[in-house]
Amino acid sequence: NAGVTQTPKFQVLKTGQSMTLQCAQDMNHNSMYWYRQDPGMGLRLIYYSASEGTTDKGEVPNGYNVSRLNKREFSLRLESAAPSQTSVYFCASRSRGQVFTYEQYFGPGTRLTVT
Amino acid sequence: KNEVEQSPQNLTAQEGEFITINCSYSVGISALHWLQQHPGGGIVSLFMLSSGKKKHGRLIATINIQEKHSSLHITASHPRDSAVYICATTGGGSNYKLTFGKGTLLTVNP
Repeated sequence: NAGVTQTPKFQVLKTGQSMTLQCAQDMNHNSMYWYRQDPGMGLRLIYYSASEGTTDKGEVPNGYNVSRLNKREFSLRLESAAPSQTSVYFCASRSRGQVFTYEQYFGPGTRLTVT
Repeated sequence: KNEVEQSPQNLTAQEGEFITINCSYSVGISALHWLQQHPGGGIVSLFMLSSGKKKHGRLIATINIQEKHSSLHITASHPRDSAVYICATTGGGSNYKLTFGKGTLLTVNP
């Protein structure tokens, strides 16, 4: 199992450009998440998908859109990148079973710089 | 809304020392997670617990539900333990989302 994979690993964008971050998991997990991690801020939830066909906003959704393409894939799109979106982005997934067995698995991250 | 606080923010230790990182939260939760992130690296789940204590090698995690507090202990610390340790909670209003602390940066010197 590859677990959670993300592409690309690094990306530099100019202000106003758009891009899509891709995420896929092969663990048959129902829930998937996009986070951003900034120094001193910890991990903040951008969007999540509790199950295939549903998406919901997290703490910091402005400037982002998501698509849960199928059970495996969950993409994050920046329509018009801004320097404030410079961050490390992590995708994660988690099984949907008993509440006490909800372990979350993270992808390797995408380091995005917007100039 | 659940607030998750970690202490200390930064911790420097000598190899072999016993390490404790603390986490407190403000509302009832379903489970508490300890995560590890090496510099420039990905995030790995170390423990998930809802009561009592769990042990994995030199790492021990405890939780006190009544006091809304958890600790992560590292015995016989080693330079390879240098990483950011993150506490996160599930529940407190949503079982789908995690609420994260800001992390504790641990540096273990040889």
